[in-house]
Amino acid sequence: DGGITQSPKYLFRKEGQNVTLSCEQNLNHDAMYWYRQDPGQGLRLIYYSQIVNDFQKGDIAEGYSVSREKKESFPLTVTSAQKNPTAFYLCASSIGGTGAETQYFGPGTRLLVL
Amino acid sequence: GQQLNQSPQSMFIQEGEDVSMNCTSSSIFNTWLWYKQEPGEGPVLLIALYKAGELTSNGRLTAQFGITRKDSFLNISASIPSDVGIYFCAGPSNFGNEKLTFGTGTRLTIIP
Repeated sequence: DGGITQSPKYLFRKEGQNVTLSCEQNLNHDAMYWYRQDPGQGLRLIYYSQIVNDFQKGDIAEGYSVSREKKESFPLTVTSAQKNPTAFYLCASSIGGTGAETQYFGPGTRLLVL
Repeated sequence: GQQLNQSPQSMFIQEGEDVSMNCTSSSIFNTWLWYKQEPGEGPVLLIALYKAGELTSNGRLTAQFGITRKDSFLNISASIPSDVGIYFCAGPSNFGNEKLTFGTGTRLTIIP
């Protein structure tokens, strides 16, 4: 089955620790995205990548980093510089290219700070 | 930046009632997308609209792309318990820009 997977479902972070959230897709999509969702809020874009080995900052990139070494994978690292990391993190992908492209979401990872 | 305002923020309805919600933008949109998110899950695409005036259905759901291109509407007929969730509108305002802007969501609760 084609789709987007995120792991883990829940992740705990200690103060000062970096943690990495996994996102994999087998839809052959060029573009991938990371969003943060806080309780009762909409989705805010952290980073996005339109093609392998290239990515751009979204609206709230500070304290986060990403890599796009493979088309299928777009891991997000929440660094110790992110002072309020507790949130629900969503990964998405789209076919890519010019024009508006529908995004498809993974099941999310909930990050909690110990 | 672009803003999407969704209304209402929350709805409490009885099973069997119809539901209407809308989304308005501060700028023109070329595409409108409607997503549903259930607790602890990622949003799932319900309906995509690509042309001003377009009316599209998906089962009991019907969505419309407003003529002004600055608004969109989602209706759910004869609501059932599994309709519970948060409904988001989304869209890119500029052609060629794949980044989506999301509304703040409408939370739907079904009263038994």
